[in-house]
Amino acid sequence: DTGVSQDPRHKITKRGQNVTFRCDPISEHNRLYWYRQTLGQGPEFLTYFQNEAQLEKSRLLSNRFSAERPKGSFSTLEIQRTEQGDSAMYLCASSLAGRYTEAFFGQGTRLTVV
Amino acid sequence: KNEVEQSPQNLTAQEGEFITINCSYSVGISALHWLQQHPGGGIVSLFMLSSGKKKHGRLIATINIQEKHSSLHITASHPRDSAVYICAVLQPPNTGNQFYFGTGTSLTVIP
Repeated sequence: DTGVSQDPRHKITKRGQNVTFRCDPISEHNRLYWYRQTLGQGPEFLTYFQNEAQLEKSRLLSNRFSAERPKGSFSTLEIQRTEQGDSAMYLCASSLAGRYTEAFFGQGTRLTVV
Repeated sequence: KNEVEQSPQNLTAQEGEFITINCSYSVGISALHWLQQHPGGGIVSLFMLSSGKKKHGRLIATINIQEKHSSLHITASHPRDSAVYICAVLQPPNTGNQFYFGTGTSLTVIP
C-alpha cells in the first residue's frame, strides 16, 4: 500500500456543473477525512467517516456537498452545481481511530471553477 | 474562534537563522502534530507529540500541556525548509477523536 491516493489531481469545471472526487485511504485505516484548503490557509474540516458511517459534517458542508464511503474503503465527495467559491484544494486523509493516531494525507484534488 | 491558533502567519528568514513557530490550542488533546506542506505538494507529518520535546535533525518540537502551547524550532534554516508548517491537534477518543488544524505558517528562507 503506497498511502492515500486521490483522483483526479486537478479538475477544471464550469460553474454549475457537478464534480466528483475519489479518495482511496490506507487499507487498514478505519477513519477517513475530507478537508478543504484555500490558498494560505490550513485545512478546514468538511466531514469524516469511521468505516462506512459518516460521523460528523461541518457547517461548511452545504447541501450541495455530499460524501459517501459505501463499503468502508474508498470515499467519494460530490459537489453539485459548483460555484466559483468552491475552488480550492480538497484533501483526503485517513487514520486509525485511537489516542495517538496519525493522519496520512493524499496529494489532494485541486478544483478550479470557471 | 479557532480551536488551534498559529503564529506567525508568514515568516521570512535568512539562511542560517533560528526559526520558531508557535501553536496554541483550546481543546483537550491526546496528541499534537506538526505537519509540513510544500507548494503544490501533499502534507507530511514531522512530529507527533503528547508531552515534552522531540528532535529530528534540525527540527525541534516542544509541547507544554498545561499551557496548551507548542513550538516548532528550525535551527540553521535552509531554503529547502521553505514550506507551510501546520499545527494539528487530536482530541482524545472520549471527546470525538477529531483533528483540528491551525491555519499554517508560511515560511520562506532566503539564501
